[in-house]
Formats: sequence, structure tokens, C-alpha cells
Amino acid sequence: QQQVKQSPQSLIVQKGGISIINCAYENTAFDYFPWYQQFPGKGPALLIAIRPDVSEKKEGRFTISFNKSAKQFSLHIMDSQPGDSATYFCAAGRGGYQKVTFGTGTKLQVIP
Amino acid sequence: DAGVIQSPRHEVTEMGQEVTLRCKPISGHDYLFWYRQTMMRGLELLIYFNNNVPIDDSGMPEDRFSAKMPNASFSTLKIQPSEPRDSAVYFCASSEKDGTQETQYFGPGTRLLVL
Repeated sequence: QQQVKQSPQSLIVQKGGISIINCAYENTAFDYFPWYQQFPGKGPALLIAIRPDVSEKKEGRFTISFNKSAKQFSLHIMDSQPGDSATYFCAAGRGGYQKVTFGTGTKLQVIP
Repeated sequence: DAGVIQSPRHEVTEMGQEVTLRCKPISGHDYLFWYRQTMMRGLELLIYFNNNVPIDDSGMPEDRFSAKMPNASFSTLKIQPSEPRDSAVYFCASSEKDGTQETQYFGPGTRLLVL
């Protein structure tokens, strides 16, 4: 059973554009929602995370939007740059960040 | 800190052979995780330890897989016997119990190919 569904599988965005990746979860007990960024040949690294007590969190060009009633959350990358080209994973955890379930990943390509 | 260290970085073996993957977590971290990443199944948590004790091994696919953490600075993931379907990238990650950064720190991974 896939507890965290992520879409799209791949995404091509023009430089300067907005990249949007969506995730949906099923378990209402989840209370921690991180996004990880992975470059080829590297391990995933935390990009930004949110807890369900807020509906939005922004760090630089990266914003998480969270809709608790719909059980959905999304990552927005503003002014996308070629250096943002990577695979992005959403995840959800219960009771903290020690055990999270990852989405299937979105491969983002930002073209000049 | 050097980050999470994994070895080997690449491993090619034949079906039926034993494979041992190694991990050195970040010093001072209380938790250690083993993940497997494939195109088909994405990133799967296999097992995680807290203070060297296995807490949840429900993700370990079958008895051919075993993991140990004999001390706070070393862990192994062993596959015996290995099968072609075990081919994947295996990541080790570590985290603090109550760190200011609520995140797991991933190692560079071991790319395993079982022929």
C-alpha cells in the first residue's frame, strides 16, 4: 500500500518558471512532511519540511503548501534554475522525523 | 564532520554470493537507517536502529537480509545469498534524537549489481 503518492513522475520547466510537485497521503496520523532533494550519484538531502499546524512554509525560492483537510501538500520552486535539476521526494512521518515514508520521486529538469 | 560514510560505493557480485554493505554514521547520532532505492519501488526503509538496537525491521524483504549495529559508529547490511532482484542503491542515513535540524543525513549510497 502506497501511503504517499507523488506526481508528476517527471517535470520539465523553463528557467525562471515555477516548478510544482504534488503529494497526497492517506494516514491522518502523519505529522511531519519533509521534502528531499537528490542529485545524481548522491544521497537525498533535506530541502524543507512542514508540520500540519501551518499551511505554508517558505525558504528562499522553495515553498511548501499544506492542505490538511485534503491530505495534500506540494512543493513550489519559484524562479527555477538549471541547478535545481534533481529528483525531489516528498515524505511523511508520524511522531517525528525518525521514520518517514517516501513518495516515488519527481525528476525535475530545468532547461535554459 | 565527514558525513555518513558508506563502503563500498559500488559492488558487482554473482547470484548466490554473500554481500556485506558497511556504514559509519555521523558521530553523536542516535539513529541509523538503511534504505533501498530502485526505479520500480522508489526509496524504501529497510530497518532502523536507535542506540544500536534495531527498532523496526518490518521493511527487510526476507530472511536473506540481515543488519547489525555492533557499536555506535558502525553498521552492516548483509545479503546472503544475493539474487539479481537485490540490485539497487542502498543508502545508510543517520540522525540525532532531538537535533535542531529535524532530518536524516544520507550517505552517498552503495550501488549493488547482482548478476
